[in-house]
Amino acid sequence: EAAVTQSPRNKVAVTGGKVTLSCNQTNNHNNMYWYRQDTGHGLRLIHYSYGAGSTEKGDIPDGYKASRPSQENFSLILELATPSQTSVYFCASGGGAETLYFGSGTRLTVL
Amino acid sequence: QEKVQQSPESLIVPEGAMSSLNCTFSNSASQSIWWYQQHPGKGPEALISIFSNGNKKEGRLTVYLNRASLHVSLHIRDSQPSDSAVYLCAVSMNNYAQGLTFGLGTRVSVFP
Repeated sequence: EAAVTQSPRNKVAVTGGKVTLSCNQTNNHNNMYWYRQDTGHGLRLIHYSYGAGSTEKGDIPDGYKASRPSQENFSLILELATPSQTSVYFCASGGGAETLYFGSGTRLTVL
Repeated sequence: QEKVQQSPESLIVPEGAMSSLNCTFSNSASQSIWWYQQHPGKGPEALISIFSNGNKKEGRLTVYLNRASLHVSLHIRDSQPSDSAVYLCAVSMNNYAQGLTFGLGTRVSVFP
């Protein structure tokens, strides 16, 4: 069964601090994605990747960086966190068909 | 940019009834349309997808797609309390590797 694991599950950060959200998949999928989910906005795509070493901008990339050092791992980096980045973040993987497999999410609060 | 709108925002149905959800999308060139289910505190899970005009049935789920009217619907027969969740409509474009565009969701509550 497809497995996507996110860490941490919950994170509290201070404004201006650096935050790294991690995602690991054991599906051997080429494509990985970072979404954020907010009331009134739904799921929005931040960054995605076609494979190790690649990162692409999604619909709302400003304030975020991504890193894909290996097939299994995809990180989302907030260099200077702001309160507007308080949200629930979901990582997903996809293997060439269109089904996306999501992790359980990371709840980030920026104070 | 693709826009996906869902209705109603919420739906309350008794156990055993049919749940009917609607979704409209903005781009006729959209590829597949997906329905995902999301329980509280969990990530979305794919339920069913459709590409061609017409209907597709899987178990208690039936999806209808009309590309001319840019409309897709999901019907859940014999709704169960375990079906209580948020249902998300999602659309892929020509390059499916670029991810899916999601609607805001319909919250379904099934009471015994």
